[in-house]
Order: sequence, then structure tokens, then C-alpha cells
Amino acid sequence: GNSVTQMEGPVTLSEEAFLTINCTYTATGYPSLFWYVQYPGEGLQLLLKATKADDKGSNKGFEATYRKETTSFHLEKGSVQVSDSAVYFCALRSGTSGSRLTFGEGTQLTVNP
Amino acid sequence: EAGVVQSPRYKIIEKKQPVAFWCNPISGHNTLYWYRQNLGQGPELLIRYENEEAVDDSQLPKDRFSAERLKGVDSTLKIQPAELGDSAVYLCASSSRGMNTEAFFGQGTRLTVV
Repeated sequence: GNSVTQMEGPVTLSEEAFLTINCTYTATGYPSLFWYVQYPGEGLQLLLKATKADDKGSNKGFEATYRKETTSFHLEKGSVQVSDSAVYFCALRSGTSGSRLTFGEGTQLTVNP
Repeated sequence: EAGVVQSPRYKIIEKKQPVAFWCNPISGHNTLYWYRQNLGQGPELLIRYENEEAVDDSQLPKDRFSAERLKGVDSTLKIQPAELGDSAVYLCASSSRGMNTEAFFGQGTRLTVV
């Protein structure tokens, strides 16, 4: 079946540091890949997505590239801010799973001033 | 435009009691999902509806959980009777059809069973 594996957290960085959160996946077919973010006290929000190999999703300074050869979709940001503190979830949707969204376990990011 | 609305936000019940959660999806969204999120974990799908039809309920514990989506709009998720292990956040999401479409999530209902 489909699965998503994220790097273990929590991750603590200083403001303006470089961020990488690793995500690898297992899926049949050609999944679409997503990063969702959950800010404290709020619901899950879509951060970015990529729908085919080599696509790069980007939003709010975050980027992730769909790498089919390594089955990865790592999230990166060049300079994090305190306001980026949240839980980040990698997810996939595969046509063979009937458009079910499968999530990783989430990575807690804390950015200190 | 209103997002996905869930109620209640919080619920505390004693074990063996029933509980129900309600979800109003974004207008026009055919697909509705119920997810359960345990503490420190990612959401796991319980059931997915296409309009009023449950098309993916393989992970719904049917001995105690039930769901309905009358008229293909609002949905309710019920647990009867609740167990201690049911304590979690229950998330509702909706999307339009298609594999690449964004799923919009409500704020969730945090259930505590004591």
C-alpha cells in the first residue's frame, strides 16, 4: 500500500537558518505529492503540491521537488522565520488508492528568534 | 467563502457514552473525508464520501463507528460506545473531484474519553 515517511522531529532552528524536512514515499502508480502545514490552534492547510515527476511546488518561500528516482519530496526553505513554527505533514494521493490522502507522521518545527 | 466547518471544537465524554461530530463542507465540494489524528501522528482516513456515497470506508471501525452524509452535503460521524482509545482529533475535509485537487480541512474536534 501507499505510505509516507518523514524525518523525525522535533526540529529546532534559529531565525534565518536553512530548513530541510525529508519526506520519502512508497506508492503504486504516479502519485501527487503535497505538503500541509498545521499552525498552532489551526486546521491543516495546503502549503504546496507537485503532481508529476520533476515538478517543483513552491509557496511562502518553501519549495519541494518531486523526485521519482529517489521517491522523495523534501521540503526546503532558505531562511526560516519565527512565524514558520508549526507542524509540517508530507502527503500523497494516488489514483490507485481512490484519491485517498495518505499522510506522514508530521514534523514539528520550532524557530527561535 | 466559508471554509470547512466542524462542531463541536472540543468534547469530553465518559467511556461507553455515545458522541457525534458534525461537518459542513465547502459549498460545491463533492468529496468529503473524515480523518482521525492521534497525538503526534499524521491524520488517518476513516471514511471518504463522493456525494452521498461512502466509497472508501475500509479503515472505519464499523462495530462502533458510523457516518452519514445525507443529501451529499453535511456529514455526521458517530461513535457508540466510545472507548478510551478513541481520544483523538477528528478532522473533516472536503475537495472537488480529481487527484490533484486540494483538500480543505476544518479545525477538527478534539475528543477526550475519560
